[in-house]
Amino acid sequence: EAGVAQSPRYKIIEKRQSVAFWCNPISGHATLYWYQQILGQGPKLLIQFQNNGVVDDSQLPKDRFSAERLKGVDSTLKIQPAKLEDSAVYLCASSFWGAAVDEQYFGPGTRLTVT
Amino acid sequence: GQSLEQPSEVTAVEGAIVQINCTYQTSGFYGLSWYQQHDGGAPTFLSYNALDGLEETGRFSSFLSRSDSYGYLLLQELQMKDSASYFCAVRDNYGQNFVFGPGTRLSVLP
Repeated sequence: EAGVAQSPRYKIIEKRQSVAFWCNPISGHATLYWYQQILGQGPKLLIQFQNNGVVDDSQLPKDRFSAERLKGVDSTLKIQPAKLEDSAVYLCASSFWGAAVDEQYFGPGTRLTVT
Repeated sequence: GQSLEQPSEVTAVEGAIVQINCTYQTSGFYGLSWYQQHDGGAPTFLSYNALDGLEETGRFSSFLSRSDSYGYLLLQELQMKDSASYFCAVRDNYGQNFVFGPGTRLSVLP
């Protein structure tokens, strides 16, 4: 089966510019996650969707970050305006809802560099 | 809130056994997961414990003690390809917030 797809794989922008990332989860996975991973740290959950509803966005900097999953399938994460500290890898993951084993499948990530 | 602690680095030789510990503090507890991440790669799922005890999957085993808020990942018959970062992660008992630990970098030496 196809894995989690993300694009672009790499992005370089200047501070104060905007950027958007796209994620297509594994077919049939109702739960979708966006993580930010700064070099040398563990992934930090930004937002979790259940179908097209938000389950948890407590760590999403809502003044500059936004995310949507309009049809309950693919999702976009946007940063506007970007700051230097947003340089990180942005990971998308998906999983079955209510599975006995809490297993998330990760995409390859988007490496963002803000200059 | 939630917090997790792991050793930052562990070094071992090929063929050896290594244990990576994880302690957590949560407002509630739903389960403990372990992920492996090679440099430049994405995290991949290794194991999950919701109940006390040991779960075994091939060379990897994971243990959980809910009363001690403690778990560990045991890697046996270490191979060079096991050199990677290992993260524990917890989900609270409302099934919502999911938090990764800071990670343990394992180096396997020949």
